[in-house]
Amino acid sequence: QQQVKQSPQSLIVQKGGISIINCAYENTAFDYFPWYQQFPGKGPALLIAIRPDVSEKKEGRFTISFNKSAKQFSLHIMDSQPGDSATYFCAATSGSNYKLTFGKGTLLTVNP
Amino acid sequence: KAGVTQTPRYLIKTRGQQVTLSCSPISGHRSVSWYQQTPGQGLQFLFEYFSETQRNKGNFPGRFSGRQFSNSRSEMNVSTLELGDSALYLCASSQGGRETQYFGPGTRLLVL
Repeated sequence: QQQVKQSPQSLIVQKGGISIINCAYENTAFDYFPWYQQFPGKGPALLIAIRPDVSEKKEGRFTISFNKSAKQFSLHIMDSQPGDSATYFCAATSGSNYKLTFGKGTLLTVNP
Repeated sequence: KAGVTQTPRYLIKTRGQQVTLSCSPISGHRSVSWYQQTPGQGLQFLFEYFSETQRNKGNFPGRFSGRQFSNSRSEMNVSTLELGDSALYLCASSQGGRETQYFGPGTRLLVL
């Protein structure tokens, strides 16, 4: 059972465009939702995270939108740059189990 | 602070052998988690240790085991290797397990 569903699998965006990646979860006990960025040959690195008591969080060009009633959250990358080309993972965790449940990942390619 | 380190970075084994992977967390971090990353299954949680105690375990067979030492360093062991164990094994550390998890670069295991 996949508890966090992520789409699309891959995304191609032109430089300066907006990249949007969506995730949906099933477990209502989840209370922390981070996004990770992974470059080839590297481990995932935390990009931005949100808790369900807020509907949006922005850090620089990266914004998380959260819809608790729909059990969905999304990552928006504004003014996408070629250096943003990487694989992005959404994840979720709850207070009692100390583990991250990841989406399958989105390979983002930003063309110059 | 130095990041999470994992050794070795690359490993080639044959079916039936066993392997031990090592992880040194960020100084001061007491929680260490292990994840398996494969193209087909994505990132999957193996187990989490805090102060030498396993607090959570993922859905992996008993061939996968781990431990944590008093200095928070952790090892994971895979016995009787199978071809399907070929993967990138990632270690992540955090202060208590609920906060941001910082990933190491991973150990890439190839089973022939």
